[in-house]
Amino acid sequence: AQSVSQHNHHVILSEAASLELGCNYSYGGTVNLFWYVQYPGQHLQLLLKYFSGDPLVKGIKGFEAEFIKSKFSFNLRKPSVQWSDTAEYFCAVNGGGATNKLIFGTGTLLAVQP
Amino acid sequence: EPEVTQTPSHQVTQMGQEVILRCVPISNHLYFYWYRQILGQKVEFLVSFYNNEISEKSEIFDDQFSVERPDGSNFTLKIRSTKLEDSAMYFCASRSLPGLAGVEQYFGPGTRLTVT
Repeated sequence: AQSVSQHNHHVILSEAASLELGCNYSYGGTVNLFWYVQYPGQHLQLLLKYFSGDPLVKGIKGFEAEFIKSKFSFNLRKPSVQWSDTAEYFCAVNGGGATNKLIFGTGTLLAVQP
Repeated sequence: EPEVTQTPSHQVTQMGQEVILRCVPISNHLYFYWYRQILGQKVEFLVSFYNNEISEKSEIFDDQFSVERPDGSNFTLKIRSTKLEDSAMYFCASRSLPGLAGVEQYFGPGTRLTVT
């Protein structure tokens, strides 16, 4: 069965620090990978996605993620975080098929201190 | 920008009662989903709905759950007889097209269901 692991449950950073959030997935077939973000009081929104091609994908708000197939990983990075990045971040995998359901990780709560 | 909306934002109910959670997907979207997140746990897929029928459901989605698209705009999740363990945040999502072209799912803000 497909699964997604996020190893960092709660991360606290100071502004301008670099961020890397880990995500590993378990699925043997072709995957589509996503990072969603949920700002306080708001809905889940897509940060970035990987389907194929260049394994380094860039998303909104300066975020990027690298797909490393050999490590089954899709880590999220940002070189310099801002206070406004305080949110919960979810990694998800979509194994395709007719329904394209998403399998989520447990989420990482990021708190950025000014 | 079009958004998925959900009502209510918070629902408190007693064990054994029926609840209906409502969602209005983005208007031209064709695929609809319900997910839930129990506090401190993963967001879990419950059910997907396309062409007026369930296309996939998880093992969580037992006979106590049902979904409906009663009027072409609303998409509802009904829990017939709530249990304490149904307490969770319930997210609705929709997407537009089959295949990669429409694979991004747009989520609503969620309904927090508290069963007492």
